[in-house]
Amino acid sequence: GDSVTQMEGPVTLSEEAFLTINCTYTATGYPSLFWYVQYPGEGLQLLLKATKADDKGSNKGFEATYRKETTSFHLEKGSVQVSDSAVYFCALRITGGGNKLTFGTGTQLKVEL
Amino acid sequence: DAGVTQSPTHLIKTRGQQVTLRCSPISGHKSVSWYQQVLGQGPQFIFQYYEKEERGRGNFPDRFSARQFPNYSSELNVNALLLGDSALYLCASSYMTGGSYEQYFGPGTRLTVT
Repeated sequence: GDSVTQMEGPVTLSEEAFLTINCTYTATGYPSLFWYVQYPGEGLQLLLKATKADDKGSNKGFEATYRKETTSFHLEKGSVQVSDSAVYFCALRITGGGNKLTFGTGTQLKVEL
Repeated sequence: DAGVTQSPTHLIKTRGQQVTLRCSPISGHKSVSWYQQVLGQGPQFIFQYYEKEERGRGNFPDRFSARQFPNYSSELNVNALLLGDSALYLCASSYMTGGSYEQYFGPGTRLTVT
């Protein structure tokens, strides 16, 4: 079946540090890939997406590149802020599979001053 | 425009009871999906409805059921509650199904089963 594997957290960084959260996937069909963010007490917000191989999704300084050869979609940001503290979820959706999203277990990010 | 709304925000039920959770999609959105998020885990897909028809079902027992109304709002019902049903239940809406349509999530309903 379809699955997403994320690096375990929590990840603790100092403000302005470089961030990488690893994500790899297994898919039965052709997937679109997503990063969602969940702030405390809130629902999920779409952070960025990529729908085909070699696409780069970007938003709010975050980037991720769809790597079909390594089945990966790692999230990066050059300089994190305290306000980036949240839980980040990698997810996939299979083309032709409706709206079903398959999520990873999430990675908590804590950014300290 | 209002986002996806869910009610109630929190509720506490006893094992064996039944619960109904409600979701109102963004105006104009025709598809609603339900997810269960157990503490410390990623959301798990339960159901998708589009134009009042079930379009997808996750690996959940028959105790879980849902429906979508003509105004595209949706209800999720869970019968014979178990302790393991304690979770955050998320609703997501999108304009259509599949394609490049973004899904927008509501804040969730926190269900505690004692």
